[in-house]
Amino acid sequence: RKEVEQDPGPFNVPEGATVAFNCTYSNSASQSFFWYRQDCRKEPKLLMSVYSSGNEDGRFTAQLNRASQYISLLIRDSKLSDSATYLCVVKGGGGSYIPTFGRGTSLIVHP
Amino acid sequence: DAGITQSPRHKVTETGTPVTLRCHQTENHRYMYWYRQDPGHGLRLIHYSYGVKDTDKGEVSDGYSVSRSKTEDFLLTLESATSSQTSVYFCAISGDYNEQFFGPGTRLTVL
Repeated sequence: RKEVEQDPGPFNVPEGATVAFNCTYSNSASQSFFWYRQDCRKEPKLLMSVYSSGNEDGRFTAQLNRASQYISLLIRDSKLSDSATYLCVVKGGGGSYIPTFGRGTSLIVHP
Repeated sequence: DAGITQSPRHKVTETGTPVTLRCHQTENHRYMYWYRQDPGHGLRLIHYSYGVKDTDKGEVSDGYSVSRSKTEDFLLTLESATSSQTSVYFCAISGDYNEQFFGPGTRLTVL
């Protein structure tokens, strides 16, 4: 079983739609969680950290479910510019500070 | 944006030649990482460093070596480049539990 798993997609949605991605992780001792965005041929950039109580940044909402070991990302009112690959990152646990990346979920927002 | 640069940004080289990629940070972060990214594989960790002269292997370290003689610089060396090492290489930096910041990447082509 992969340590961090994501549905690769692509998720094809119209502008204005709401879309959600999930990411599951295997290490129950993991301590830090993040969502990154990567545009084609560019470096990954931090989208948001994920906190235990859930957090929101504009149209983006992130949730953590420790019991079921997954994190989620919700995007409301999708824009064309949201088209990208979204990477889930899990860090910590067992004395390790090395992050583990999912392979990413591709989102395509069309007019 | 985090102060992290990579050089060169693009390189074409021939099989069997040595290649060194440089990552430079101005953030004084403890951790530095080298990844490669290939279609269908996502980000794969090559080597990482947790301090000056402290390095360790990642999941795809064969054929690569690293050195960190100063906090701000992390070098990745391909002792004898092969065509399978054609890839995009990303450097990243982080604190212990904090998020990673990525450099702009180096596109390496081995002919």
